Amino acid sequence: QVQLVESGGGVVQPGKSLRVSCAASGFKFNYYGMHWVRQAPGKGLEWVAAVWHDGSKNEVADSVTGRFTVSRDNSKDTMYLEMHSLRVEDTAVYYCARDPRGSSTGGFFDHWGQGTLVTVSS
Amino acid sequence: DIQMTQSPTSLTASVGDRVTITCRTSQGIGTYLNWYQQKPGRAPKFLIYSISRLEDGVASRFGGSGSGTEFTLTISGLQPEDFATYYCQQTYSSPPTFGGGTKVEIK
Repeated sequence: QVQLVESGGGVVQPGKSLRVSCAASGFKFNYYGMHWVRQAPGKGLEWVAAVWHDGSKNEVADSVTGRFTVSRDNSKDTMYLEMHSLRVEDTAVYYCARDPRGSSTGGFFDHWGQGTLVTVSS
Repeated sequence: DIQMTQSPTSLTASVGDRVTITCRTSQGIGTYLNWYQQKPGRAPKFLIYSISRLEDGVASRFGGSGSGTEFTLTISGLQPEDFATYYCQQTYSSPPTFGGGTKVEIK
């Protein structure tokens, strides 16, 4: 069955960096676009980043442009989110999600991981 | 960015009730409208895509409709397991955006 497992979350000081990962199993990873979506405590869902099925293209939200980078390693069935210059407002549960479309538009997020909590605090 | 406005932000209903949640978009999005359900402490669950197409395994009491800039999620015969927060999402243009959510609570 499809499984997405995030890891790498934790407590980090403002201005520091962190990398979170999403390990996929149960499907042909390189056929699917992948996304990161975050949810601040008590708040709604915010799309953060997307990477095309073959890794040829990626996009990030304006709120994290220049600080976050998304990538994937299809040989390891894993997607990554590199987060730099972290801010208190980046505190959230970070979910990875699968998209049958290869890009950031036209699709839907049909499977989600359980999320990993990133807390930015001094 | 396309803005998504859900209403109401919360509602109280009883088991067996028919519930309607509305999602309005700031511009036309064709058929690229999806719905998700989220329970406390859990990841979102995918329910509906392309306005009205149910994901495999989703109960038939869930229905989606709408066009243009106004869309609706209807739950016909609310069940105890349906008490949750529901989000609409557009993927017509990047960035994909979500509505603010509608919390369905037990009366």
